[in-house]
Amino acid sequence: DIQVTHSPSSLSASVGDRVTITCRASQSINNFLNWYQQKPGKAPNLLIYAASSLQSGVPSRFSGSGSGTDFTLTISSLQPEDFATYYCQQSYSAPYTFGQGTKLEIK
Amino acid sequence: QVQLQQSGPGLVKPSQTLSLTCAISGDSVSSNSVAWNWIRQSPSRGLEWLGRTYYRSKWYNDYAVSVKSRIIINPDTSKNQFSLQLNSVTPEDTAVYYCARLSSSCYDYWGQGNLVTVSS
Repeated sequence: DIQVTHSPSSLSASVGDRVTITCRASQSINNFLNWYQQKPGKAPNLLIYAASSLQSGVPSRFSGSGSGTDFTLTISSLQPEDFATYYCQQSYSAPYTFGQGTKLEIK
Repeated sequence: QVQLQQSGPGLVKPSQTLSLTCAISGDSVSSNSVAWNWIRQSPSRGLEWLGRTYYRSKWYNDYAVSVKSRIIINPDTSKNQFSLQLNSVTPEDTAVYYCARLSSSCYDYWGQGNLVTVSS
């Protein structure tokens, strides 16, 4: 199975900060990488698909980039509702696997 | 707008069968462009894909190796839903279980989640 690894596993930041989360795949996955946001007690919510495409309804402060093995999720200016856990997920090869997540906390 | 509504018991005894249902609105379980999945989440395993069912002129199922001998996912076209059956459960199967739609290689719609605890 393809492994995807987040860094960092947790991050403290302030409202208005620019934040970048990284995901690395254990082999090249082209651009088959998706990002999800999960808040406590809720299901994951798709933010970015195919590495850089913004899901409908997701604010434009979220962006994704990367290809091959290295990917990033950037939040350009943190809002209070953005404090959550973020997961990457590869869809290059079955079984589609998730990273362990990055927990974004308020500083 | 697609909605997935999950139902099923929150407590299952060890060695028994975990059964959950996911009712679909706004799409069809027989759609030939998506797949219907079960995913679970626990502190020890994180987000773990369990399996899927999908229709491409006939029905197909794929299952995770970790549960392949114990799992059945069935579509129910009469009720536009699909179900999860996980046999011979142990406390390791305690988790929040989600159903989700896979479309264009991403999970774009999710159910609300069911916490299932395996305990006597």
